Amino acid sequence: GAGVSQSPRYKVAKRGQDVALRCDPISGHVSLFWYQQALGQGPEFLTYFQNEAQLDKSGLPSDRFFAERPEGSVSTLKIQRTQQEDSAVYLCASSLLEGTMNTEAFFGQGTRLTVV
Amino acid sequence: QQQVKQSPQSLIVQKGGISIINCAYENTAFDYFPWYQQFPGKGPALLIAIRPDVSEKKEGRFTISFNKSAKQFSLHIMDSQPGDSATYFCAAEYTGGFKTIFGAGTRLFVKA
Repeated sequence: GAGVSQSPRYKVAKRGQDVALRCDPISGHVSLFWYQQALGQGPEFLTYFQNEAQLDKSGLPSDRFFAERPEGSVSTLKIQRTQQEDSAVYLCASSLLEGTMNTEAFFGQGTRLTVV
Repeated sequence: QQQVKQSPQSLIVQKGGISIINCAYENTAFDYFPWYQQFPGKGPALLIAIRPDVSEKKEGRFTISFNKSAKQFSLHIMDSQPGDSATYFCAAEYTGGFKTIFGAGTRLFVKA
């Protein structure tokens, strides 16, 4: 595709419900990142994939958060037993090369999650 | 954990004026400093970036000034236009890392 595609664009979940957020990166991009952006704040790193390998998950806030990229392309961020503090925009980004240096990361439009 | 501090939170500038956004960092391991522009409902997009071995980088109307000893850097937008109205984030990265550390953002409004 032309850019990073995320779905759904908007998701309303009842507290305690499980949600799954999808990211389709730019074709051929090795790196895939997930970020969480609270209202009025900068994005905060959640996790990083190099192809199918999850090399850094230090930003995942709790064990309720799980991400996968099984075939090194599409990625899913799953949040179990959602809480109100999980309400945020979840951004996915991909880049052509490994890591962050010397390679521009392209962001999707994000999924706005609201937990009620 | 805010490793990159950004100011001001919001900024109003007249069309044609200069917009200045400042950032400071503490971690001396950072060795790459990008700026991102974000419009409402969109993801951030890379605007311009600098490495600490350079004190200034200019791309069109956008200039980054970098002060390594003070651990500060700033974005200058010359001849600001209404289309520049957006949220700007400074950020920092380090070699071998996998994450970008973002500042809290500056909402810029350019009055026509």
